[in-house]
Amino acid sequence: GQSLEQPSEVTAVEGAIVQINCTYQTSGFYGLSWYQQHDGGAPTFLSYNALDGLEETGRFSSFLSRSDSYGYLLLQELQMKDSASYFCAVREGSASKIIFGSGTRLSIRP
Amino acid sequence: DADVTQTPRNRITKTGKRIMLECSQTKGHDRMYWYRQDPGLGLRLIYYSFDVKDINKGEISDGYSVSRQAQAKFSLSLESAIPNQTALYFCATSDPRRASEQYFGPGTRLTVT
Repeated sequence: GQSLEQPSEVTAVEGAIVQINCTYQTSGFYGLSWYQQHDGGAPTFLSYNALDGLEETGRFSSFLSRSDSYGYLLLQELQMKDSASYFCAVREGSASKIIFGSGTRLSIRP
Repeated sequence: DADVTQTPRNRITKTGKRIMLECSQTKGHDRMYWYRQDPGLGLRLIYYSFDVKDINKGEISDGYSVSRQAQAKFSLSLESAIPNQTALYFCATSDPRRASEQYFGPGTRLTVT
């Protein structure tokens, strides 16, 4: 079956850098996505990696290693507004189903 | 106006009642999804649809049914609600060319007493 593992909680300091890891086990892997969800809000798409390597979008970067079934989300120059839950998600097979991890709650201290 | 809307936003219902959650989108996407979110369990896929005539079960379809009335509308029904269906429900859409980029509605908080 499919499974995704990510830490349940991470704490960091404002202005610092934090990395949220995700390992996955799935069949027919097509790519790894990341979503952000603030308390009481809807998930919003951050990034997608289909190939190995690093994708950068402003302060956020996402990395994928298909051979290691591993990826991470890197957040730089942390701001208080980055306090949220972050979900990794894998796209499975040609059916384009998205399977989500349980989420990592990021808390940022001043 | 929001691209993906859900009604109602909050609902309290009793065990055994039938309830329908509705989702509409103006993004012109063919693909629509219903997810359930419980604390600590992330988002779990209930049903998904790739066009009006296409309905597929997700991870946790038991106790739920769906209807795709039009490209823009996708409804989720609980035929006989039970307390463990208390959760936050999200509708999402995606473009088939960017299937991993999903757009979520604001969610419906459902409580079954």
